[in-house]
Amino acid sequence: QVQLVQSGAEVKKPGASVKVSCKASGYTFTSYDINWVRQATGQGLEWMGWMNPNSGNTGYAQKFQGRVTMTRNTSISTAYMELSSLRSEDTAVYYCARGNNWGLFDYWGQGTLVTVSS
Amino acid sequence: QSVLTQPPSVSGAPGQRVTISCTGSSSNIGAGYDVHWYQQLPGTAPKLLIYGNSNRPSGVPDRFSGSKSGTSASLAITGLQAEDEADYYCQSYDSSLSGSRVFGTGTKVTVL
Repeated sequence: QVQLVQSGAEVKKPGASVKVSCKASGYTFTSYDINWVRQATGQGLEWMGWMNPNSGNTGYAQKFQGRVTMTRNTSISTAYMELSSLRSEDTAVYYCARGNNWGLFDYWGQGTLVTVSS
Repeated sequence: QSVLTQPPSVSGAPGQRVTISCTGSSSNIGAGYDVHWYQQLPGTAPKLLIYGNSNRPSGVPDRFSGSKSGTSASLAITGLQAEDEADYYCQSYDSSLSGSRVFGTGTKVTVL
């Protein structure tokens, strides 16, 4: 069965960077995009960007351009999302989600809580 | 600053029918892009509920249905059950935001 397993919770100071991993199993990793979506406590879902694990091509939401980097290691079927220059407003649960040709997200990771606090 | 607007909350008694609207514009839903719906139970990751405007993934009860018209889409839940109490989000693509997938503002469904 398809599974996306994310790394554990992180606590970071303002100005630091965080790198969250997402390990895929149960399907061919390079055949589907990986997207990243975040959700602040009590708030809605916010799409951050996508990555094609086959080519490494990426597309980022305007809001995060210059601060987010999405990469992958195909040998271990793992995608990464790094967010830099963290501020308190970046405190949220970060999800990876598999994307398909419909433009939807059919499988989701369990989420990673990133807390930014001095 | 979501470009897809949903009502913050809807409620209904068990067995009733509720609908959730998702209002967009000519650069997203109105441009013909598909709308997808997700259900998020408390403390869990979102789950795909409806794809391609009106299609249900395997395992989703037929109590859930979706439709789209013009610049809006709707999710209907018939025969409301206690386990349907959750947050629901619509999602589409917006051509004015380069490569952007966009989510709705979210709707909390309460079963009375």
